Amino acid sequence: QKEVEQNSGPLSVPEGAIASLNCTYSDRGSQSFFWYRQYSGKSPELIMFIYSNGDKEDGRFTAQLNKASQYVSLLIRDSQPSDSATYLCAGLAGGTSYGKLTFGQGTILTVHP
Amino acid sequence: DAGVIQSPRHEVTEMGQEVTLRCKPISGHDYLFWYRQTMMRGLELLIYFNNNVPIDDSGMPEDRFSAKMPNASFSTLKIQPSEPRDSAVYFCASSTLAKRTLQETQYFGPGTRLLVL
Repeated sequence: QKEVEQNSGPLSVPEGAIASLNCTYSDRGSQSFFWYRQYSGKSPELIMFIYSNGDKEDGRFTAQLNKASQYVSLLIRDSQPSDSATYLCAGLAGGTSYGKLTFGQGTILTVHP
Repeated sequence: DAGVIQSPRHEVTEMGQEVTLRCKPISGHDYLFWYRQTMMRGLELLIYFNNNVPIDDSGMPEDRFSAKMPNASFSTLKIQPSEPRDSAVYFCASSTLAKRTLQETQYFGPGTRLLVL
């Protein structure tokens, strides 16, 4: 079992809809979680990070963390075609591995006009 | 800041040849990471350094791979001899860790696209 698992996708939503991306993790020592967006042929770029239980909002993006359920999600409101990309969830290891990110396999999101 | 710089951006080589990938991290960052990305395996951490010292190389696939960080502004990933299954995109990333702030972010370079024939 991978340490970070994402819903397999691909996910297709119409423009203006809410896109929901989900991630579970197995390492209870993980302190923080990150959502990266990767356009085809480009490098990953950070869009959100979260380290406290609950919700964190940034513009059209909301990250949710539930440490008891070991669950992280990313909601994209008012989805735009420019949001079409692969979304990578990553957990930051704690303890002696502090600094190490473990990535999920990614979810491909397509927003169609 | 110019961001993380990687070279070359593309590399095509023949099986058995030595390949050296280079990375310049963001100035002031004390963590440097090497990743490999393929369609089949996704984004995999190969090795990472803290203050130029290798911390975890458990992701290095085999002895053909080696990485060095001789100083805070330069790192190399070497494959010798290269094999077709090494074909992938290799990313370098850097970060500096300050708890509970944005500086936990890893910033990725543009990647090196390696094709081994």
